[in-house]
Amino acid sequence: AQSVSQHNHHVILSEAASLELGCNYSYGGTVNLFWYVQYPGQHLQLLLKYFSGDPLVKGIKGFEAEFIKSKFSFNLRKPSVQWSDTAEYFCAVNDGYSTLTFGKGTMLLVSP
Amino acid sequence: DVKVTQSSRYLVKRTGEKVFLECVQDMDHENMFWYRQDPGLGLRLIYFSYDVKMKEKGDIPEGYSVSREKKERFSLILESASTNQTSMYLCASSTIHRIAGGPGETQYFGPGTRLLVL
Repeated sequence: AQSVSQHNHHVILSEAASLELGCNYSYGGTVNLFWYVQYPGQHLQLLLKYFSGDPLVKGIKGFEAEFIKSKFSFNLRKPSVQWSDTAEYFCAVNDGYSTLTFGKGTMLLVSP
Repeated sequence: DVKVTQSSRYLVKRTGEKVFLECVQDMDHENMFWYRQDPGLGLRLIYFSYDVKMKEKGDIPEGYSVSREKKERFSLILESASTNQTSMYLCASSTIHRIAGGPGETQYFGPGTRLLVL
């Protein structure tokens, strides 16, 4: 069975700081990778996804993620966070045939 | 835009009651899912469905059942609610992408139902 590990449960940053949220997965074959975000009081929504091609994926709101196959990682990055980025972030993976496996989430708090 | 709606945002029920959570999607998606979201545990899959009248158990199906009589509607049923089923319940839908394959393509989520069982 696949598993997804998110390194930090809580992250606190000041505005303009750089962000990197770690995500590692256990499956060794071809994978589809996702980052979802849940802003306070809102739906869970897709931030970005990787299926194939360029391992550096750009998503909405200035986020990007890099797929490093050798490290089984798909870390989320943003060069300069804003207060409005305060949210919970979920990494998810599937192998194209199974359902999504989600990580336990990272709560990001950005102080103004 | 894809829209996934859930029948209630907040629900309070008593232990032993039968509870129905309804989910409707308007994009003709084949796949529908029910998750529960708990702090520190992330999203855990309860049941999913690839087609009408079809259902598959997820990771934590115990104490739940589902019904999919129409393509756009997927219901989660708590046969006899218990306090440990107090949680946020999320419904999601997705379509099948023939090239990439699989049921785990981009999922679109509803707003969630926060259920409190007393």
